Amino acid sequence: KQEVTQIPAALSVPEGENLVLNCSFTDSAIYNLQWFRQDPGKGLTSLLLIQSSQREQTSGRLNASLDKSSGRSTLYIAASQPGDSATYLCAVRLIKAAGNKLTFGGGTRVLVKP
Amino acid sequence: EAGVTQSPTHLIKTRGQQATLRCSPISGHTSVYWYQQALGLGLQFLLWYDEGEERNRGNFPPRFSGRQFPNYSSELNVNALELEDSALYLCASSLGFVGAGNGGYTFGSGTRLTVV
Repeated sequence: KQEVTQIPAALSVPEGENLVLNCSFTDSAIYNLQWFRQDPGKGLTSLLLIQSSQREQTSGRLNASLDKSSGRSTLYIAASQPGDSATYLCAVRLIKAAGNKLTFGGGTRVLVKP
Repeated sequence: EAGVTQSPTHLIKTRGQQATLRCSPISGHTSVYWYQQALGLGLQFLLWYDEGEERNRGNFPPRFSGRQFPNYSSELNVNALELEDSALYLCASSLGFVGAGNGGYTFGSGTRLTVV
């Protein structure tokens, strides 16, 4: 059974500091890994998608890496801003044989202080 | 391009009643997924539909059911509502599992179900 863990569960940083969010998963038979952002009471916004054959993806201030062999992904957010305050979720999509479902970590709640 | 749309936004029901939640996927997406996010808990996988068929089901009782229509929109039904069914229900869509292309999920804004 695929388990996804995110550390830390919560993070508070001053504005301008870089953020490092960690995600680990137990089964490397994944199709891809996706990072999402969720604001309180809202739906999920996709930030980055990394296919299983890729090592990293970048979008603006965001960079995500994937090490499938060790079951780890890291999301870096450069020069954090108060608007980055949200919960960040990592999710792995299992291969079809494993049911094709997206399994989520518990999330990291981020607070960026002005 | 329109995103994943869910309706209603909020739904209040009495214990024992039935709730129906609706989801329209992104145009071209054939797979629809339902997730439950109860307060203080993580996202729990409920159901996966693709090409009108139920393909996978999470660890939920049979009173959680749904269907996918020929236009790929989907409906989630929750019968005999219990207080603990109160949660944010999220729908997502993706391209069918063709093994190629962008396999990302796009989520809707959710339906907040409150059971009183």
